[in-house]
Amino acid sequence: ETGVTQSPTHLIKTRGQQVTLRCSSQSGHNTVSWYQQALGQGPQFIFQYYREEENGRGNFPPRFSGLQFPNYSSELNVNALELDDSALYLCASSRSVNTEAFFGQGTRLTVV
Amino acid sequence: DQQVKQNSPSLSVQEGRISILNCDYTNSMFDYFLWYKKYPAEGPTFLISISSIKDKNEDGRFTVFLNKSAKHLSLHIVPSQPGDSAVYFCAVYHRDDKIIFGKGTRLHILP
Repeated sequence: ETGVTQSPTHLIKTRGQQVTLRCSSQSGHNTVSWYQQALGQGPQFIFQYYREEENGRGNFPPRFSGLQFPNYSSELNVNALELDDSALYLCASSRSVNTEAFFGQGTRLTVV
Repeated sequence: DQQVKQNSPSLSVQEGRISILNCDYTNSMFDYFLWYKKYPAEGPTFLISISSIKDKNEDGRFTVFLNKSAKHLSLHIVPSQPGDSAVYFCAVYHRDDKIIFGKGTRLHILP
């Protein structure tokens, strides 16, 4: 059974650019959540996908968008990058909603 | 406004002794609580959870205590080992099935 994997592990982008981060959920998991962890903070919920539909969203602007595919893998897209978007982006998958979430190693995004 | 508070940014404990990590929450409607452990360059790893119908849950060296009237939970690690050095996040399940995390406490286990 493979765990949650995220790609890429590190990324540097310029302000104003767009970025796509990818996540493969753990086998048997149909729910994927994305979190942003800024330096010195706990992870902040961005949104969750359950069976390809958005199932809840945190306090993030619309330029943060996502997708979940039929195989339950997921993408996080961020448009018009800002310097404050620099953070560790974590993907978590779970067997269903409201069950323990298992995290990937994260993607470290730096916006310059 | 923070709904989950970990007021100690760091904690140092001698190897073999008990580590106690504390967490306070603001919403009495929260009913499922989790602790995650995070090493550098890795994602958070689920450690232990507790439902509001219980006041204690134990798993090996890890015990979580919940005091609903005080809106407080704590994680006890006994005995503390060098591999326990990590950042520990207290978290709660909220509506919309999102997890709300505290800012974390960095635990240093001293030799």
